[in-house]
Amino acid sequence: SQELEQSPQSLIVQEGKNLTINCTSSKTLYGLYWYKQKYGEGLIFLMMLQKGGEEKSHEKITAKLDEKKQQSSLHITASQPSHAGIYLCGADNGGSNYKLTFGKGTLLTVNP
Amino acid sequence: GAGVSQSPSNKVTEKGKDVELRCDPISGHTALYWYRQSLGQGLEFLIYFQGNSAPDKSGLPSDRFSAERTGGSVSTLTIQRTQQEDSAVYLCASSSLGLHEQYFGPGTRLTVT
Repeated sequence: SQELEQSPQSLIVQEGKNLTINCTSSKTLYGLYWYKQKYGEGLIFLMMLQKGGEEKSHEKITAKLDEKKQQSSLHITASQPSHAGIYLCGADNGGSNYKLTFGKGTLLTVNP
Repeated sequence: GAGVSQSPSNKVTEKGKDVELRCDPISGHTALYWYRQSLGQGLEFLIYFQGNSAPDKSGLPSDRFSAERTGGSVSTLTIQRTQQEDSAVYLCASSSLGLHEQYFGPGTRLTVT
């Protein structure tokens, strides 16, 4: 089965700093999804990437997909306390059920 | 519009009891997923429903777990004879046919004592 490795596991940054979270797959990526989760809440969909080299942005968050490296990166510019939470990447395994395999998440803390 | 809703939000049960968790998907979404999120285990797929097709049960951890989806809408996940290792947050997600974005509910936190 597909495995996703996220790094770092946790990250503490000062407000205003930039940061990057990586997600690496052990298998071919057919679709890569980024979600954000706050404690006790469900997952909030951020972005979906499907094509190699694809890059998408939502407000100050940008995600890229490197198909050859089977990797995606999530970059936050000028971080704010509202960005704090757990960031999860999920991968489509290419099956017809579109079920997602998730990484274990990156816990982001932004200090004001 | 309304998102995915789940009930109850929290459930505490004694070991050996049965529990039922409910999921109301987004209206019009034909695909429905159940996932489980445990400490140290991350988020794992349990079961998938798509329209009237037979569900994909490949992620169910044991035969104590079952799920149904009535009328192509509401789904119930049932855990029989609960064990302490069943303690987790159970998340439901739905998506539209042909689209891959899965929208998640807030989850049900199950604690088995």
